Amino acid sequence: EVQLQESGPGLVKPSQSLSLTCSVTGYSITSNYWGWIRKFPGNKMEWMGYISYSGSTSYNPSLKSRISITRDTSKNQFFLQLNSVTTEDTATYYCASESTTGVMDAWGQGASVTVSS
Amino acid sequence: DIVLTQSPALAVSLGQRATISCRASQSVSTSSYNLMHWYQQKPGQQPKLLIYDASNLASSIPARFSGSGSGTDFTLTINPVQADDIATYYCQQSRELPWTFGGGTKLELK
Repeated sequence: EVQLQESGPGLVKPSQSLSLTCSVTGYSITSNYWGWIRKFPGNKMEWMGYISYSGSTSYNPSLKSRISITRDTSKNQFFLQLNSVTTEDTATYYCASESTTGVMDAWGQGASVTVSS
Repeated sequence: DIVLTQSPALAVSLGQRATISCRASQSVSTSSYNLMHWYQQKPGQQPKLLIYDASNLASSIPARFSGSGSGTDFTLTINPVQADDIATYYCQQSRELPWTFGGGTKLELK
């Protein structure tokens, strides 16, 4: 059974970068797709992007050039970096496994990130 | 982007049927698949996949959950509703990038 766990700072200052790690067990990240999703206060959910089994990426255009998703296959981890954050990036960030048809079939427990000075 | 619209809340009685709808701003169906999926989220927990491709029950999900629909109109049905089903339900489309979610429907007890 695949399990995912997010980790990273819970507080980030405005204009800085948000960095999160997703550690995956029970499944190799060299298979399938691996995504980041965030849930804002008030319940709106936004798909941020994914990294594929081959290392290719796809990002939500709403995040423009601020986002980067990378991976370390030796540790079976993938990473989110979001640059130039503002208070509007305050959210709970989830990593998830995605099927080839975009179904998010397993989720991490979520990491709450607050952007504040 | 494809916009998914859900009613914000639905009040039901235990043991009754709950029908949650999701309407897409354009078709999310192909000739082979209806690319609409449903998730349940309880407070303090991560979302859990319930239904994929509009009508397929995910692993370990009870048979009282079912999904239907095609094109732009989709429905998640819970019958009968149990106390453990009180949660927020989200639809999500994967017909077109970026994947998008509905605003969520909070299932409440009457």
